[in-house]
Amino acid sequence: GENVGLHLPTLSVQEGDNSIINCAYSNSASDYFIWYKQESGKGPQFIIDIRSNMDKRQGQRVTVLLNKTVKHLSLQIAATQPGDSAVYFCAENTHRPPNNFNKFYFGSGTKLNVKP
Amino acid sequence: GAGVSQSPSNKVTEKGKDVELRCDPISGHTALYWYRQSLGQGLEFLIYFQGNSAPDKSGLPSDRFSAERTGGSVSTLTIQRTQQEDSAVYLCASSLGQEKNIQYFGAGTRLSVL
Repeated sequence: GENVGLHLPTLSVQEGDNSIINCAYSNSASDYFIWYKQESGKGPQFIIDIRSNMDKRQGQRVTVLLNKTVKHLSLQIAATQPGDSAVYFCAENTHRPPNNFNKFYFGSGTKLNVKP
Repeated sequence: GAGVSQSPSNKVTEKGKDVELRCDPISGHTALYWYRQSLGQGLEFLIYFQGNSAPDKSGLPSDRFSAERTGGSVSTLTIQRTQQEDSAVYLCASSLGQEKNIQYFGAGTRLSVL
């Protein structure tokens, strides 16, 4: 399978600070990326996505940056709150024939701890 | 329904028994996925359905694992002769099956094989 990994398995930040979670991917043909948030005992929840024809996309308090040159993806969370504490996964997707379906490869995740 | 529903939420079974895990996707979602998540790990792809057919079964770890989907809706993942290494959270996701394919996940079934 594809190798989608994370630089930091755990990240601790102070409430109110900005958080940056990083992800590396190996398939240069990947054209679509998603960040998911998984709280304890729950399934992953969609946060934000980005296509390969973009290098930045912003949502509410979150920004995803894509650097295709070095195959690197990051998730920035502004003014981190205790409710942001969770495991964050990046997932990459490549449209491959003949099935051409959206098979995602997930990284192992980064645990974000927000200290009050 | 409003979201992806999985049942049971927890299942404890004895080694050697068969188990069935159920997934009820979001109404109208044609694509359905099964993943396995071991403690502290990422998501391991198991199988994908488009409608009732499964074009990709490559992730099923052994022939003890099978899945079916009927009526383009509910899916059942069956594990026969369970082993302790099968213990994990089994997650189901569904999507519209279109090009930009956000998958929506259920809360998962936590399987414990004693």
